[in-house]
Amino acid sequence: GIQVEQSPPDLILQEGANSTLRCNFSDSVNNLQWFHQNPWGQLINLFYIPSGTKQNGRLSATTVATERYSLLYISSSQTTDSGVYFCAGRGATNKLIFGTGTLLAVQP
Amino acid sequence: KAGVTQTPRYLIKTRGQQVTLSCSPISGHRSVSWYQQTPGQGLQFLFEYFSETQRNKGNFPGRFSGRQFSNSRSEMNVSTLELGDSALYLCASTTGGELFFGEGSRLTVL
Repeated sequence: GIQVEQSPPDLILQEGANSTLRCNFSDSVNNLQWFHQNPWGQLINLFYIPSGTKQNGRLSATTVATERYSLLYISSSQTTDSGVYFCAGRGATNKLIFGTGTLLAVQP
Repeated sequence: KAGVTQTPRYLIKTRGQQVTLSCSPISGHRSVSWYQQTPGQGLQFLFEYFSETQRNKGNFPGRFSGRQFSNSRSEMNVSTLELGDSALYLCASTTGGELFFGEGSRLTVL
């Protein structure tokens, strides 16, 4: 099956720093999304981004479907950005496959 | 517009019991899918329903089952609970390929 690798697995930042999270797919995927899991476990939608670039405030994302990767940019990070970030996409079986996640800690 | 609602939010069961979890999708969404999250296995797909029909199924034993009702609400059931079934169970409703998740049901099996 499709493998989804996220990097880095862990990241510690000082408040105000910028970061880039990466998601690599072993095969083509559709319906790529980025999520932020809050401390209570809920997955919050960040971007639905099958291809191209989108921006929402301090966050932006880029998916290059032909090269099977997606990037999530966080600028001017805040402590509330802390948590786990997941990417997910649907492969040929149409099942949603999640990445392994990036654990982000933003320190004041 | 109300989001995806999952009940119960927390529950504790003992081995051998069964459990039923409920998910009400966003109004107008006809597709519901379920996921299990554990520290060891990460987020794994359980099954997906559309208009009361199971459209896809993950690699879980037959103890895990689900269904969808005519109002798009969905339930999943786990029978003969095992310690390893302790997990966060997440439900999502889908529109246009985009998923929206509920807050999850956290199951502890003792």
